[in-house]
Amino acid sequence: EDQVTQSPEALRLQEGESSSLNCSYTVSGLRGLFWYRQDPGKGPEFLFTLYSAGEEKEKERLKATLTKKESFLHITAPKPEDSATYLCAVLLGAGGSYIPTFGRGTSLIVHP
Amino acid sequence: DAGVIQSPRHEVTEMGQEVTLRCKPISGHDYLFWYRQTMMRGLELLIYFNNNVPIDDSGMPEDRFSAKMPNASFSTLKIQPSEPRDSAVYFCASSSEELGLNYGYTFGSGTRLTVV
Repeated sequence: EDQVTQSPEALRLQEGESSSLNCSYTVSGLRGLFWYRQDPGKGPEFLFTLYSAGEEKEKERLKATLTKKESFLHITAPKPEDSATYLCAVLLGAGGSYIPTFGRGTSLIVHP
Repeated sequence: DAGVIQSPRHEVTEMGQEVTLRCKPISGHDYLFWYRQTMMRGLELLIYFNNNVPIDDSGMPEDRFSAKMPNASFSTLKIQPSEPRDSAVYFCASSSEELGLNYGYTFGSGTRLTVV
């Protein structure tokens, strides 16, 4: 069973159409949750780390939030340059993996 | 800094041949990670090093895979013999932190390996 599940697998938006991506995790003892952006033909690029439920972080049109069992990446008024695959990864506490475990990502396409 | 540099960008090889992937991490980063990305399994950690010493190789799928880091500025991932199921994009990443909590990992652009 996957520890990290991202949904939807793919999302198409019109420019300016806000939406959210979801990352849910099934294990306890979360030490940190990461969001990365991956452009075609490139490696993932670090965006945020969230540590505890209730925490929020923002970068330009992106806002990441965290609850006890999931994280959302909110995209406000997206632009075509926001098109990418967004990956989340979880880092577990004691007794779990001490290296981030990645989800399979959500592929976002923003049409002009 | 030029970032994490991987070579080659693309590799096509025949089944049974030896394949060597190369990585130059960011200067000053003590941690180096090798990941593999496929559609089916996503991004998986293969092995990581700290100060050139392998720390965890539990993600290496088989004895056909080996990785070395002879110095702080160079690492290789070798597959011998290669099989079609090894086809994937292999990423190298480096970091100044083991867990990447503050700055994340810096990834290279990857090597797309195709084994025919």
